[in-house]
Amino acid sequence: KQEVTQIPAALSVPEGENLVLNCSFTDSAIYNLQWFRQDPGKGLTSLLLIQSSQREQTSGRLNASLDKSSGRSTLYIAASQPGDSATYLCAVNGNKLVFGAGTILRVKS
Amino acid sequence: DAGVIQSPRHEVTEMGQEVTLRCKPISGHDYLFWYRQTMMRGLELLIYFNNNVPIDDSGMPEDRFSAKMPNASFSTLKIQPSEPRDSAVYFCASSWARGSSGNTIYFGEGSWLTVV
Repeated sequence: KQEVTQIPAALSVPEGENLVLNCSFTDSAIYNLQWFRQDPGKGLTSLLLIQSSQREQTSGRLNASLDKSSGRSTLYIAASQPGDSATYLCAVNGNKLVFGAGTILRVKS
Repeated sequence: DAGVIQSPRHEVTEMGQEVTLRCKPISGHDYLFWYRQTMMRGLELLIYFNNNVPIDDSGMPEDRFSAKMPNASFSTLKIQPSEPRDSAVYFCASSWARGSSGNTIYFGEGSWLTVV
Protein backbone atom coordinates (compact mmCIF):
# COMPACT_ATOMS: atom_id res chain seq x y z
CA LYS A 1 0.00 0.00 0.00
CA GLN A 2 1.42 3.35 -1.06
CA GLU A 3 2.12 5.76 1.78
CA VAL A 4 3.04 9.40 1.23
CA THR A 5 4.72 11.48 3.91
CA GLN A 6 5.31 15.21 3.84
CA ILE A 7 7.84 17.04 5.98
CA PRO A 8 7.58 19.48 7.63
CA ALA A 9 3.92 19.49 8.65
CA ALA A 10 4.06 23.26 9.03
CA LEU A 11 6.54 25.96 8.15
CA SER A 12 6.69 29.68 8.93
CA VAL A 13 9.26 31.82 7.14
CA PRO A 14 9.91 35.52 6.55
CA GLU A 15 9.20 36.94 3.14
CA GLY A 16 11.99 36.51 0.63
CA GLU A 17 13.35 33.22 1.90
CA ASN A 18 13.96 30.25 -0.35
CA LEU A 19 12.37 27.11 1.03
CA VAL A 20 12.09 23.39 0.40
CA LEU A 21 9.12 21.13 1.05
CA ASN A 22 9.72 17.41 1.17
CA CYS A 23 7.64 14.46 0.06
CA SER A 24 8.50 10.77 0.38
CA PHE A 25 6.63 7.70 -0.85
CA THR A 26 7.02 4.01 -0.15
CA ASP A 27 6.26 2.42 -3.54
CA SER A 28 8.44 3.61 -6.42
CA ALA A 29 6.17 2.04 -9.06
CA ILE A 30 4.51 5.32 -9.98
CA TYR A 31 3.46 7.01 -13.19
CA ASN A 32 3.90 10.55 -12.00
CA LEU A 33 3.85 12.86 -9.02
CA GLN A 34 1.94 16.10 -8.61
CA TRP A 35 2.28 19.03 -6.28
CA PHE A 36 -0.90 20.89 -5.39
CA ARG A 37 -1.70 24.05 -3.52
CA GLN A 38 -4.81 24.40 -1.34
CA ASP A 39 -6.00 27.72 0.02
CA PRO A 40 -8.35 27.77 3.04
CA GLY A 41 -11.91 26.93 2.01
CA LYS A 42 -10.88 26.18 -1.55
CA GLY A 43 -10.17 23.22 -3.76
CA LEU A 44 -6.79 22.00 -4.92
CA THR A 45 -4.81 23.73 -7.65
CA SER A 46 -2.20 21.73 -9.52
CA LEU A 47 1.22 23.39 -9.45
CA LEU A 48 3.54 20.92 -11.13
CA LEU A 49 3.34 17.41 -12.54
CA ILE A 50 6.47 15.32 -12.94
CA GLN A 51 6.35 12.16 -15.04
CA SER A 52 8.17 9.14 -13.65
CA SER A 53 10.78 9.47 -16.41
CA GLN A 54 11.53 13.09 -15.53
CA ARG A 55 13.83 14.48 -12.87
CA GLU A 56 12.35 17.93 -12.42
CA GLN A 57 9.80 20.47 -13.53
CA THR A 58 9.86 24.25 -13.20
CA SER A 59 7.13 26.86 -13.21
CA GLY A 60 8.09 30.41 -12.32
CA ARG A 61 9.49 30.46 -8.79
CA LEU A 62 8.62 26.81 -8.26
CA ASN A 63 10.84 23.85 -8.99
CA ALA A 64 9.94 20.27 -8.24
CA SER A 65 12.34 17.36 -8.37
CA LEU A 66 11.71 13.64 -8.38
CA ASP A 67 14.00 10.79 -7.38
CA LYS A 68 11.84 7.79 -8.02
CA SER A 69 14.37 5.20 -6.94
CA SER A 70 14.69 6.70 -3.48
CA GLY A 71 11.00 7.60 -3.25
CA ARG A 72 11.51 11.31 -2.78
CA SER A 73 10.36 14.60 -4.23
CA THR A 74 11.05 18.16 -3.23
CA LEU A 75 9.24 21.39 -4.01
CA TYR A 76 11.53 24.39 -4.02
CA ILE A 77 9.99 27.86 -3.71
CA ALA A 78 12.30 30.75 -4.49
CA ALA A 79 11.95 34.20 -2.99
CA SER A 80 8.82 33.36 -1.01
CA GLN A 81 5.97 35.88 -0.81
CA PRO A 82 3.02 36.25 1.59
CA GLY A 83 0.76 35.13 -1.28
CA ASP A 84 2.50 31.75 -1.20
CA SER A 85 0.88 31.04 2.17
CA ALA A 86 -1.24 27.92 1.71
CA THR A 87 -1.19 24.17 2.24
CA TYR A 88 0.99 22.29 -0.23
CA LEU A 89 0.09 18.69 -1.02
CA CYS A 90 2.11 16.03 -2.75
CA ALA A 91 0.21 13.30 -4.62
CA VAL A 92 1.69 10.13 -6.06
CA ASN A 93 0.01 8.48 -9.04
CA GLY A 94 0.35 4.73 -9.23
CA ASN A 95 -2.84 2.70 -9.38
CA LYS A 96 -4.46 5.51 -7.45
CA LEU A 97 -3.61 9.10 -6.68
CA VAL A 98 -2.46 8.98 -3.05
CA PHE A 99 -2.02 12.25 -1.18
CA GLY A 100 0.27 13.25 1.63
CA ALA A 101 -1.09 15.13 4.61
CA GLY A 102 0.35 18.41 3.35
CA THR A 103 2.67 21.13 4.56
CA ILE A 104 1.05 24.29 5.92
CA LEU A 105 3.18 27.22 4.78
CA ARG A 106 3.01 30.70 6.22
CA VAL A 107 5.13 33.44 4.71
CA LYS A 108 5.33 36.49 6.95
CA SER A 109 5.61 39.98 5.53
CA ASP B 1 -13.69 26.28 -19.50
CA ALA B 2 -15.47 26.81 -16.17
CA GLY B 3 -13.58 24.05 -14.45
CA VAL B 4 -15.06 21.29 -12.32
CA ILE B 5 -18.34 22.50 -10.86
CA GLN B 6 -19.72 21.12 -7.62
CA SER B 7 -22.96 21.75 -5.80
CA PRO B 8 -23.97 22.49 -3.17
CA ARG B 9 -20.93 24.34 -1.86
CA HIS B 10 -22.15 24.05 1.72
CA GLU B 11 -24.76 21.81 3.27
CA VAL B 12 -25.89 21.32 6.82
CA THR B 13 -28.24 18.42 7.38
CA GLU B 14 -29.63 16.38 10.22
CA MET B 15 -28.50 12.88 10.96
CA GLY B 16 -30.52 10.33 9.03
CA GLN B 17 -31.29 12.60 6.11
CA GLU B 18 -30.27 11.82 2.55
CA VAL B 19 -27.51 13.97 1.06
CA THR B 20 -26.83 14.29 -2.66
CA LEU B 21 -23.69 15.97 -3.92
CA ARG B 22 -23.38 16.89 -7.58
CA CYS B 23 -20.50 17.33 -9.97
CA LYS B 24 -20.02 18.53 -13.51
CA PRO B 25 -16.56 17.59 -14.82
CA ILE B 26 -14.56 19.55 -17.35
CA SER B 27 -15.89 18.91 -20.84
CA GLY B 28 -13.89 16.24 -22.65
CA HIS B 29 -12.42 14.68 -19.53
CA ASP B 30 -13.02 10.94 -19.40
CA TYR B 31 -12.03 10.31 -15.78
CA LEU B 32 -13.99 11.51 -12.79
CA PHE B 33 -12.96 11.12 -9.16
CA TRP B 34 -14.71 11.64 -5.82
CA TYR B 35 -12.48 12.43 -2.83
CA ARG B 36 -13.24 13.12 0.81
CA GLN B 37 -11.07 15.36 2.97
CA THR B 38 -11.03 15.37 6.77
CA MET B 39 -8.54 16.62 9.30
CA MET B 40 -8.00 13.13 10.63
CA ARG B 41 -7.61 11.20 7.39
CA GLY B 42 -6.60 13.83 4.84
CA LEU B 43 -7.66 13.30 1.23
CA GLU B 44 -9.10 9.89 0.46
CA LEU B 45 -10.21 8.57 -2.91
CA LEU B 46 -13.76 7.25 -2.64
CA ILE B 47 -14.49 6.16 -6.21
CA TYR B 48 -13.53 6.92 -9.77
CA PHE B 49 -15.19 6.55 -13.15
CA ASN B 50 -13.81 6.09 -16.64
CA ASN B 51 -16.15 6.92 -19.51
CA ASN B 52 -19.06 6.96 -17.04
CA VAL B 53 -18.29 3.46 -15.75
CA PRO B 54 -17.27 2.97 -12.09
CA ILE B 55 -13.80 1.44 -12.07
CA ASP B 56 -12.77 1.35 -8.43
CA ASP B 57 -15.12 1.94 -5.52
CA SER B 58 -12.93 0.33 -2.88
CA GLY B 59 -12.65 3.64 -1.05
CA MET B 60 -16.38 4.00 -0.49
CA PRO B 61 -16.67 3.71 3.29
CA GLU B 62 -19.87 1.69 3.49
CA ASP B 63 -23.15 0.87 1.83
CA ARG B 64 -24.64 4.19 2.88
CA PHE B 65 -22.51 5.77 0.15
CA SER B 66 -23.32 5.43 -3.54
CA ALA B 67 -22.15 7.22 -6.68
CA LYS B 68 -23.49 7.41 -10.19
CA MET B 69 -22.43 8.91 -13.48
CA PRO B 70 -25.40 8.78 -15.85
CA ASN B 71 -23.58 10.73 -18.57
CA ALA B 72 -20.24 12.33 -19.34
CA SER B 73 -21.19 15.67 -17.86
CA PHE B 74 -22.77 14.75 -14.54
CA SER B 75 -22.09 12.66 -11.46
CA THR B 76 -23.68 12.33 -8.03
CA LEU B 77 -22.46 11.10 -4.67
CA LYS B 78 -25.26 10.12 -2.34
CA ILE B 79 -25.18 9.40 1.38
CA GLN B 80 -28.25 7.73 2.84
CA PRO B 81 -28.73 7.84 5.76
CA SER B 82 -26.19 10.49 6.73
CA GLU B 83 -24.28 10.35 10.04
CA PRO B 84 -22.25 13.00 11.91
CA ARG B 85 -19.02 11.17 11.05
CA ASP B 86 -19.73 11.85 7.38
CA SER B 87 -19.02 15.54 7.97
CA ALA B 88 -16.17 16.43 5.63
CA VAL B 89 -15.31 18.23 2.44
CA TYR B 90 -16.16 16.19 -0.63
CA PHE B 91 -14.19 16.98 -3.75
CA CYS B 92 -14.93 16.02 -7.31
CA ALA B 93 -12.05 15.98 -9.81
CA SER B 94 -11.60 15.13 -13.47
CA SER B 95 -8.81 14.46 -15.94
CA TRP B 96 -8.25 13.35 -19.53
CA ALA B 97 -6.44 10.21 -18.53
CA ARG B 98 -4.92 8.46 -15.60
CA GLY B 99 -1.76 6.49 -15.04
CA SER B 100 0.97 6.40 -17.63
CA SER B 101 -0.26 9.31 -19.71
CA GLY B 102 -0.18 11.33 -16.53
CA ASN B 103 -2.47 14.19 -17.28
CA THR B 104 -3.13 16.80 -14.64
CA ILE B 105 -6.12 16.24 -12.42
CA TYR B 106 -8.42 19.22 -11.86
CA PHE B 107 -10.39 19.67 -8.65
CA GLY B 108 -13.65 21.41 -7.94
CA GLU B 109 -14.06 23.80 -5.02
CA GLY B 110 -15.60 21.09 -2.86
CA SER B 111 -18.89 20.50 -1.07
CA TRP B 112 -18.62 21.23 2.65
CA LEU B 113 -20.94 18.82 4.45
CA THR B 114 -21.94 19.08 8.09
CA VAL B 115 -24.22 16.43 9.58
CA VAL B 116 -25.66 17.38 12.97
